[in-house]
Amino acid sequence: NAGVTQTPKFQVLKTGQSMTLQCAQDMNHEYMSWYRQDPGMGLRLIHYSVGAGITDQGEVPNGYNVSRSTTEDFPLRLLSAAPSQTSVYFCATIGKREQYFGPGTRLTVT
Amino acid sequence: GQQVMQIPQYQHVQEGEDFTTYCNSSTTLSNIQWYKQRPGGHPVFLIQLVKSGEVKKQKRLTFQFGEAKKNSSLHITATQTTDVGTYFCASSYSNAGKSTFGDGTTLTVKP
Repeated sequence: NAGVTQTPKFQVLKTGQSMTLQCAQDMNHEYMSWYRQDPGMGLRLIHYSVGAGITDQGEVPNGYNVSRSTTEDFPLRLLSAAPSQTSVYFCATIGKREQYFGPGTRLTVT
Repeated sequence: GQQVMQIPQYQHVQEGEDFTTYCNSSTTLSNIQWYKQRPGGHPVFLIQLVKSGEVKKQKRLTFQFGEAKKNSSLHITATQTTDVGTYFCASSYSNAGKSTFGDGTTLTVKP
């Protein structure tokens, strides 16, 4: 089992570009989440999903879109990248009690 | 929504010394989870506490949940260099898809 996978591992974007961060899981978990991690600020919830076809906003949703067409995949779309979106992005699934995190995507917006 | 405050932000210790990080909330928490993130890595689940006054141990790590379920602590006895990393507390809402993380305590251990 791969658990939670994320692609790409690293990405550099120019201001205004758009892109999609991919997240996939093979644990058949209903709940999935996207977080961003900035230095000294912990993990902040961007969007989450409680099942296929259902998504909701987290703490910092502006500038990001998500969709959940299947249980396995939960992509995060940056509509028009801004330098403030430079961060490390983690996707996570939620099991019976704990969250399982992917390895992260390091995004730099210049 | 729920917020959890974590202190201290940084802690530097000599190998062999003890370490404690604290997590506090102004509201009653349904549960508290602890995660460890190694430098350059991703958060990894350590433990979940759900009962008032609960204490759990994992080798040199001791986790406590306060009687009022508004605070929690993680204590490491006799730190080792393998303990370095950032320790986060987190609490999930009644909707399990939504969790709040503390800002973490970054531990460095000098050999």
